[in-house]
This record gives sequence, C-alpha cells and structure tokens, in this order.
Amino acid sequence: DAKTTQPTSMDCAEGRAANLPCNHSTISGNEYVYWYRQIHSQGPQYIIHGLKNNETNEMASLIITEDRKSSTLILPHATLRDTAVYYCIVANAGGTSYGKLTFGQGTILTVHP
Amino acid sequence: DAGVIQSPRHEVTEMGQEVTLRCKPISGHDYLFWYRQTMMRGLELLIYFNNNVPIDDSGMPEDRFSAKMPNASFSTLKIQPSEPRDSAVYFCASSLARQGVNEQYFGPGTRLTVT
Repeated sequence: DAKTTQPTSMDCAEGRAANLPCNHSTISGNEYVYWYRQIHSQGPQYIIHGLKNNETNEMASLIITEDRKSSTLILPHATLRDTAVYYCIVANAGGTSYGKLTFGQGTILTVHP
Repeated sequence: DAGVIQSPRHEVTEMGQEVTLRCKPISGHDYLFWYRQTMMRGLELLIYFNNNVPIDDSGMPEDRFSAKMPNASFSTLKIQPSEPRDSAVYFCASSLARQGVNEQYFGPGTRLTVT
C-alpha cells in the first residue's frame, strides 16, 4: 500500500473549518483514500473515503487532487468534540487486499474554544 | 445494534499468565480484525478473518499470540505466556465487505497491563 504523509499536529478554532492535508504521491490506480479518526480512549472511527472524485457525507468532505497525489479532509464547522487523531490511509478495497489498513501516526487536531 | 463488543475492558495480569481477550462483531459482518495500539508502534493490524477463516496473520508478533473465530459472532485473542511488552490496548473491529468500501467498526478496546 502507498505511504501517506500528514502533519503531526494542527489547531483549529471552534466553528471554523478544519482542513487536514495528506500526501500520498505513490498511490496506485486501484487504491482508495480513507480517513479515520480516533478520539482519546476510543477505537478509531471511519469518516469518509474516495477514489478520484470529491466526496461529502454528514461528517466531512474529502477533496482529492486531480493527479491523486494528495487529498484534504475538511470538517466544515469544527467543534470541541472533533479533537482527535486523524488518520489518512491509502489501500486497496477489493480482492485479496481487502481489509488491510495501515495506520500511520496521523494528525493530532486540537479544536480550541 | 450494540456495535462491536469487547471484553474485558481492562485486564491486569502477571508475566507468564495466559490472557484471553474476547470480541463479538456486529451481526452480519463478514470480516473481523484484531489490532494492537501502543505509544511506540501506533496501531498495528495483528490478524483478520473472513467468514471465520483467518486470512492474514502476518502481524501476529510471535507464537505466544493466537486467535480463533469459532463462529460468526465470537472471536478470541490469546497470549500465552504474557510478557510486560504485550501491554497495550487491543482493538477488535468488524466490517461488511463491499467493493471500494473499507469501513471498519471498532470496539472500545481492551487495555492490557502485564506486570
């Protein structure tokens, strides 16, 4: 699976948009971009995923560049409860590779009042 | 659904003792995963099952670790004998396979301390 690079930490003011970047320059054509987050003392939680197109759900938006070498997770109106470690993961999602997610160190997002 | 259930939530044991961690996946899910999380190594995939069959155990650290899934609603991770370096939070996760979707649901974890 392709390796990802994320900033170690980021801060965001409550109510503002949080934009979390991720570089995955070695991504291959059949690999998806997944985002998970882990709130302190809890198990990781799936947020969103995408292949080529931008995606949006009730939690966040995912913007993937046209060359697919980087992406940005956007939390449109961050709240204190969004303080967590955010993981960007690149992986296949089919065939014999299904299921293997490699979690890096992630980005520690701190939302301030 | 109650989500993924793990027990116990906390376990303290002495070095050399056998430890058994338990997991009940979400009903209907066909994949089950065991992860370990430490400050030093982060979150690591140990083993995963598809339809109760182990698919990849390459992350299992050594022979002291074993995992079973006797049926679709139950799995165990056993460490025998336990060592202090096994101290970690162990997570179980489950998912339903769909092409292009790798949405895993994690349990609350078991915090293991080996003294």
